[in-house]
Amino acid sequence: DTGVSQDPRHKITKRGQNVTFRCDPISEHNRLYWYRQTLGQGPEFLTYFQNEAQLEKSRLLSDRFSAERPKGSFSTLEIQRTEQGDSAMYLCASTTTRATGETQYFGPGTRLLVL
Amino acid sequence: AQKVTQAQTEISVVEKEDVTLDCVYETRDTTYYLFWYKQPPSGELVFLIRRNSFDEQNEISGRYSWNFQKSTSSFNFTITASQVVDSAVYFCALSENTGGGNKLTFGTGTQLKVEL
Repeated sequence: DTGVSQDPRHKITKRGQNVTFRCDPISEHNRLYWYRQTLGQGPEFLTYFQNEAQLEKSRLLSDRFSAERPKGSFSTLEIQRTEQGDSAMYLCASTTTRATGETQYFGPGTRLLVL
Repeated sequence: AQKVTQAQTEISVVEKEDVTLDCVYETRDTTYYLFWYKQPPSGELVFLIRRNSFDEQNEISGRYSWNFQKSTSSFNFTITASQVVDSAVYFCALSENTGGGNKLTFGTGTQLKVEL
């Protein structure tokens, strides 16, 4: 069973640029979550999808952030006009609602550095 | 709001020592799940265990064991005979059902260093 994959693994960008990250969940997992992790902290919830529907967004997700899951499979997270405060690890997790008590399986993350 | 506290920021032990990582949580939900994840230097969060709030039985898996005590809202994790490969950051997390989803609330993690 292939795990969750994320691309790119590392991204360095200049302030003001747009960046897009991709997450490929475990096959047949219908729920997909995005989290952000800053240095020395635990991951914080950003948003989640059930199939293609985005059902919840955190207050952390400012207007510069947008996420999509157009066909209910892979998801993208875009940050527009990046700021230095956006530097973090962006983690994706997937799970299935068919199992009792979801266990979220995480990808390797995308490390973003905004200069 | 839900909260997870991992008071131990960093623990250093010598190989073969036993070590316990503490986790205390707060929730108003009557049904919830608790998790432990391991994050090695590579960054990927590795699932270790999930525990249902109605199941207070302790669990053992090899050198790992977990002690869930609802009365004290704690879900502690013990590694027996620690090894260098156990060095990582360990996160305790609590699931919160919101509008159908189950977002996780994480603690700040405990950095475990196992030395020879």
